[in-house]
Amino acid sequence: EAAVTQSPRSKVAVTGGKVTLSCHQTNNHDYMYWYRQDTGHGLRLIHYSYVADSTEKGDIPDGYKASRPSQENFSLILELASLSQTAVYFCASGTNSDYTFGSGTRLLVI
Amino acid sequence: GDSVTQTEGQVALSEEDFLTIHCNYSASGYPTLFWYVQYPGEGPQLLFRASRDKEKGSSRGFEATYDKGTTSFHLRKASVQESDSAVYYCALSDPGGYQNFYFGKGTSLTVIP
Repeated sequence: EAAVTQSPRSKVAVTGGKVTLSCHQTNNHDYMYWYRQDTGHGLRLIHYSYVADSTEKGDIPDGYKASRPSQENFSLILELASLSQTAVYFCASGTNSDYTFGSGTRLLVI
Repeated sequence: GDSVTQTEGQVALSEEDFLTIHCNYSASGYPTLFWYVQYPGEGPQLLFRASRDKEKGSSRGFEATYDKGTTSFHLRKASVQESDSAVYYCALSDPGGYQNFYFGKGTSLTVIP
């Protein structure tokens, strides 16, 4: 079954540390996305990619990097984690008519 | 640029009430429109989509009609249940848009038994 799988499901990180969130899709979609979700803010787009080895900035890219080494994999990297980056992160893959989310990664920065 | 506007941020209803969540869009092309639902602790999942003017999408008692004239795709349900409590997102996919997919800010629905 086609799916978007995120890992880890939850993580506790220390301030200033490096965090990598991973996403793998089996949908064969060209587009992949990273969102963060905070209470009261809905989904906010961080980075996206429409082809391997290329990433684009979304609406709130500051403090985040992204990597798309293959069509199936898309990572979100926090080089220096900060308290304000505590949130739930969702990965998604999509086309014009189909869009699938992962189950989310709950990140707590302490 | 492309965008989706949901008017209501939070809605509280009693069971069996009628639900309307308003969604208006702006797009350069002829987009496909979507409603997604997100239950607590889960990722958003597709409720239904519509891709042409006057097309009605529906699922689980929810429905919305694509209206190109008013650029709207309002979500409606005749009689809500407590299990419908969730966050609802309107979205569009525009082949002419760079990001390809755009979401509204979401509407949190609470149904009181």
